[in-house]
Amino acid sequence: ETVLTQSPGTLSLSPGERATLSCRASQSVNSAHLAWYQQRPGQAPRLLIYSTSSRASGIPDRFSGSGSGTDFTLTISRLEPEDFAVYYCQQYGSPPPWTFGQGTKVEMK
Amino acid sequence: QVQLQESGPGLVKPLQTLSLTCNVSGDSITSGPYYWTWIRQSAGKGLEWIGRTLITGSTNYNPSLRSRLTISVDTSKNQFSLKLRSVTASDTAVYYCARTLYDIMTGYGLGDDNWGHGTLVTVSS
Repeated sequence: ETVLTQSPGTLSLSPGERATLSCRASQSVNSAHLAWYQQRPGQAPRLLIYSTSSRASGIPDRFSGSGSGTDFTLTISRLEPEDFAVYYCQQYGSPPPWTFGQGTKVEMK
Repeated sequence: QVQLQESGPGLVKPLQTLSLTCNVSGDSITSGPYYWTWIRQSAGKGLEWIGRTLITGSTNYNPSLRSRLTISVDTSKNQFSLKLRSVTASDTAVYYCARTLYDIMTGYGLGDDNWGHGTLVTVSS
């Protein structure tokens, strides 16, 4: 099973600042099979990025993803008030299970 | 716009079977290429992938749950279901159903692009 470790656990930033979130895998992940999600309180997760760097439908271009192998990054270029939430990475390698990271909370400073 | 909605009991007694259904509306469950997936979220374990099914009935389960789990699909009703047997308090969680895009060449997932709102299931006597 591939374990995903996200860092930091909590990121305290102000609106307008840049957020950089890390996701590290215990073994190499095909970049086609790494996704990022946003979860706001009381809501289901929402797909932001798939295949490491492709934005899902309707996702603003301030969200971008990068990485390869075991190290992946989600960047939010300028935080908007609605971006303060918890972010998860997920890998879809074979064989299942398709595992999630433990999450990074982006909170307002 | 496809919508997914979970339904089922919110309270299950220990050692009984947890049964949930995900109703898909706005599109046929046979459109694709999609897996139909169950995921749960508990305070102690975060997000946990439970398993997936294709419309053919082909399934993959999380090994940690495989001995207790059945996921099935009913294309005539445009829905898919989860049954988890012999539940304990550690199965208490919010259960989500989701639609998973996948690469038709490799079968690997790409992302869960549609989710239900989630339903809280508590295991307690």
